[in-house]
Amino acid sequence: DTGVSQDPRHKITKRGQNVTFRCDPISEHNRLYWYRQTLGQGPEFLTYFQNEAQLEKSRLLSDRFSAERPKGSFSTLEIQRTEQGDSAMYLCASSRTNTKNIQYFGAGTRLSVL
Amino acid sequence: GENVGLHLPTLSVQEGDNSIINCAYSNSASDYFIWYKQESGKGPQFIIDIRSNMDKRQGQRVTVLLNKTVKHLSLQIAATQPGDSAVYFCAEINTGNQFYFGTGTSLTVIP
Repeated sequence: DTGVSQDPRHKITKRGQNVTFRCDPISEHNRLYWYRQTLGQGPEFLTYFQNEAQLEKSRLLSDRFSAERPKGSFSTLEIQRTEQGDSAMYLCASSRTNTKNIQYFGAGTRLSVL
Repeated sequence: GENVGLHLPTLSVQEGDNSIINCAYSNSASDYFIWYKQESGKGPQFIIDIRSNMDKRQGQRVTVLLNKTVKHLSLQIAATQPGDSAVYFCAEINTGNQFYFGTGTSLTVIP
């Protein structure tokens, strides 16, 4: 257990529905990252927060995706109008600002869009 | 994204032997190169990293080598154990603080 928790672990939804995932990072970590991972591939960076500020967003992140970290602690990732191509594992990670190279990952939320 | 790729998708080694996992990268401006291990059903776990101004770094049973001339990174695991069986990813951090992961190499340790 890395100390980063994600909820839910699994989510099955129908195409067109909205889904929201939650990540609770290690409490003293300023930075929080979201990634998407498909089978056999490495994680793809989506976005990251420094405290409550969203500082970087990948061009992979379509307008249907939005992430928040309102109080600089937990974060949510919402996908609106889900598509089958959104099916993947969504990983959250956290790190200290001065050790950004060492990210601690949660176990992920596996999304299946039917 | 950045081009971080691995030479071999699978690797099988005998327990007790040394393992070498290779990775090629394309972005010379990356600050750090990192190796992660991912076991089935879990998120990636940090193993070791190396700054771009270093050639070699050693950890417990693991060594990372960085060859900037040919843009090549390797992870050496000494005395490989069954618990080392996992998928190994190399990753790099660019100046924009984005991580780029390679495809991964699946390591299987044969008892």
